[in-house]
Amino acid sequence: SQTIHQWPATLVQPVGSPLSLECTVEGTSNPNLYWYRQAAGRGLQLLFYSVGIGQISSEVPQNLSASRPQDRQFILSSKKLLLSDSGFYLCAWRTGTWGSTEAFFGQGTRLTVV
Amino acid sequence: DQQVKQNSPSLSVQEGRISILNCDYTNSMFDYFLWYKKYPAEGPTFLISISSIKDKNEDGRFTVFLNKSAKHLSLHIVPSQPGDSAVYFCAASPRTLYNQGGKLIFGQGTELSVKP
Repeated sequence: SQTIHQWPATLVQPVGSPLSLECTVEGTSNPNLYWYRQAAGRGLQLLFYSVGIGQISSEVPQNLSASRPQDRQFILSSKKLLLSDSGFYLCAWRTGTWGSTEAFFGQGTRLTVV
Repeated sequence: DQQVKQNSPSLSVQEGRISILNCDYTNSMFDYFLWYKKYPAEGPTFLISISSIKDKNEDGRFTVFLNKSAKHLSLHIVPSQPGDSAVYFCAASPRTLYNQGGKLIFGQGTELSVKP
């Protein structure tokens, strides 16, 4: 069966420090991968998506970057965190052809920048 | 520019009654629409989807209606149960996963509270 792992679950980081969040998917191959952020009391904002190794599309200009070094690994990074980077970060994957197929989400990482 | 909108941030319903959650979209490129349920500090879980060629899809207590001309969809939960209390997100998808990576665009969510 397919599973998605996302870690850490919670993270408190000082302003100006680097960030690395990792997401791995098991039980599937060549998935489309996504990073979303949910700011406090708001919706799910798409940050990045990837359709293959090394292929990253950015949805919003920001202080973050993403990389996909392996087929089932997706990393979200920042060189210097800002207070506004605080939020709940979610990794997701989809496979198949049609848009009716669901996306599966990880359990999320709660990031607090202090 | 918000392409998917859920204008009601919250909804309170009595147990056993119908819950109706609404969603509007602006981009005609969307071909599939999905509803997700989310609890705090957890990832969303999929509920039900509908294709733009249909106007209704039913799965147990959950029914999604699509009005393509109005660019409006709604999720009906009948009967509502206390365990349905959560935040519900609608999402829109392009036709295939080859189109813009099959990215899902989400609304802001509606917090449903079902009172016993």
